[in-house]
Amino acid sequence: DIQMTQSPSTLSASVGDRVTITCRASESISSWLAWYQQKPGKAPKLLIYKASSLESGVPSRFSGSGSGTEFTLTISSLQPDDFATYYCQQYKSYYTFGQGTKLDIK
Amino acid sequence: QLQLQESGPGLVKPSETLSLTCTVSGGSITSSGYYWGWIRQPPGKGLEYIGSIYYGGSPYYNPSLKSRVTISVDTSKNQFSLRLSSVTAADTAVYFCASRTSGTWGLWGQGTLVTVSS
Repeated sequence: DIQMTQSPSTLSASVGDRVTITCRASESISSWLAWYQQKPGKAPKLLIYKASSLESGVPSRFSGSGSGTEFTLTISSLQPDDFATYYCQQYKSYYTFGQGTKLDIK
Repeated sequence: QLQLQESGPGLVKPSETLSLTCTVSGGSITSSGYYWGWIRQPPGKGLEYIGSIYYGGSPYYNPSLKSRVTISVDTSKNQFSLRLSSVTAADTAVYFCASRTSGTWGLWGQGTLVTVSS
């Protein structure tokens, strides 16, 4: 199994901040990585696929980078709607998710 | 606009079989390139892939659940289904159905909570 590890588990930030979430894979997954945003009681929403491709309709303040085993999700300027939990997910070998990063208001 | 909606019992007894259906609207379940899947999330925890299927193809299951999972497609009803046998309290979760196009899960249903309890 490919294990995905996110850091940090929780992140406190303010509106307007630039934030970065890291995801590490236990083996190389090339660029087969997605990022999701989930709000309480809702389904996850796809933000980024293939490590850096922005899903249609997702604001450009979200960006993804990385390849191999190290990946990042960056939000360039936090908006009130961005406080949520974020998950990375690999799809090189079926699908496994990171444990999540909860982004809350400082 | 493609939409997905889960349905099924919200309470299942231990050792019994959990059965859920996902109804696809706004498009055909036989559409080329679409995969259909199930993902679950125990309360307060992370996401776990259960399995998926492509119309006309063989299903793929998470190896950790493979012995208990069956996913199938009903084209006459434009639905796909999940059956999980021999459930325990550890199977209590919100179950999401989802569709895959760009390699990963771009569209999700709203999710349905299934509780395993006697």
